[in-house]
Parts: sequence; C-alpha cells; structure tokens
Amino acid sequence: DAGVTQSPTHLIKTRGQHVTLRCSPISGHKSVSWYQQVLGQGPQFIFQYYEKEERGRGNFPDRFSARQFPNYSSELNVNALLLGDSALYLCASSLVGPAIPSTDTQYFGPGTRLTVL
Amino acid sequence: DAKTTQPTSMDCAEGRAANLPCNHSTISGNEYVYWYRQIHSQGPQYIIHGLKNNETNEMASLIITEDRKSSTLILPHATLRDTAVYYCIVRVGPGYSSASKIIFGSGTRLSIRP
Repeated sequence: DAGVTQSPTHLIKTRGQHVTLRCSPISGHKSVSWYQQVLGQGPQFIFQYYEKEERGRGNFPDRFSARQFPNYSSELNVNALLLGDSALYLCASSLVGPAIPSTDTQYFGPGTRLTVL
Repeated sequence: DAKTTQPTSMDCAEGRAANLPCNHSTISGNEYVYWYRQIHSQGPQYIIHGLKNNETNEMASLIITEDRKSSTLILPHATLRDTAVYYCIVRVGPGYSSASKIIFGSGTRLSIRP
C-alpha cells in the first residue's frame, strides 16, 4: 500500500513569495497534520485537519494556512515567505476519530524541503 | 514543551541490542508512550507505542516501568540501518480532541558502529 505522499520533494523560493505544498494521506485515513522541521530540531506542529475541518493549530503566524479536500488530501500555504521559513515540511496522516480506538498512530510522509533565498 | 527526557546521543555495536531510555515522570494516566525514528532528511517513522504493558512488534520492544515514569526502547539486533534520531513522545490516546498533535523533543541520536 502507498504511504503518505508529498509534493514537491524540493522547492526553492525567494523572500516575499508564496508557496503551496501538497499531501496525500494513506488510503482510508481521514486526518492530516502538518509539521515544520528546521535543521537540527525536532518537528514542530503546525495544523491538524480532520474531516475537512481544522482541529488544531500550533504557534505559527497567520501567513501559514491549510485546507483539506473532500478526498482528504491537503494543502499547506505559506505567504510572504521569510528566510526563517526554510525547513523540511512534513505531512502525517492517521485514521483518528473518537469511535476508532488505537488507530490514532500518525504516519509521516517523506517531506518537502523548502529553501527560501 | 516536550514531556520527555532522552540522552542526546548513544552508540551501539552492530548486532548487539540497542537500549534507548526515556524519562516521562509527569505522564498522565491517559497518555501513551510513542516511539518514532528519523533517518537523515526523511520523515519520522513510527516504531511502537504502549500504555502500560510491554509491547513488541517486528521492529522493536517497548518496556514501560510499573510506575510509567520511564520506558526503554529495545532494538534487539542493531544494524547500520538503525542509525537515526529516536524520539520518545507521550500523548493522549485516541478519542481526545488534542490526540493528533505530537510534541517532539530533541530525541536521541543513535549511532551503530560496525
């Protein structure tokens, strides 16, 4: 079975530009979470979407936004890019749901490496 | 803030068991212990999780102390491909509204030597 997929693999942008990153969850998974990993640090939580609704948000500015589509895929958008936005952006999917025990394990994709110049 | 404490780095000889400790002294009764690893520049890989009983799967074993304040991840026969950063995480179980957020700490950098 295919795991979580993300596109593009790598991306180079300049300051002030906008970027859209995409994620397709594991088939059957309805929740998608986004994380940012700056070099040398652990991943930091950005957003979680479940059934197309935002269910959680980390401590990130409003320049970061996301959405989930009816097929459960997701996009992460970042506006007005800063040099500090350079990072590996990770997407994770899980079944999650209050009526589904023991299925909240998150599975991560390979990430998108964003470089802002 | 991460709720776990792990050594910054460890090393282990190839073929031997790698034992990675984790302290989580403030763990709550509804929080699970999860382990992930991240090989350089790849996405974190799920390894194992448990609540209070010891767990074993094809990758590793998880030993949780009776008071649940610490745990050990055991890779029974370490190979060079096990070189990675290992993250110990505590989080609430399924069914809670905040269940899906994972708070990563700094992890343990495990090096396997030939």
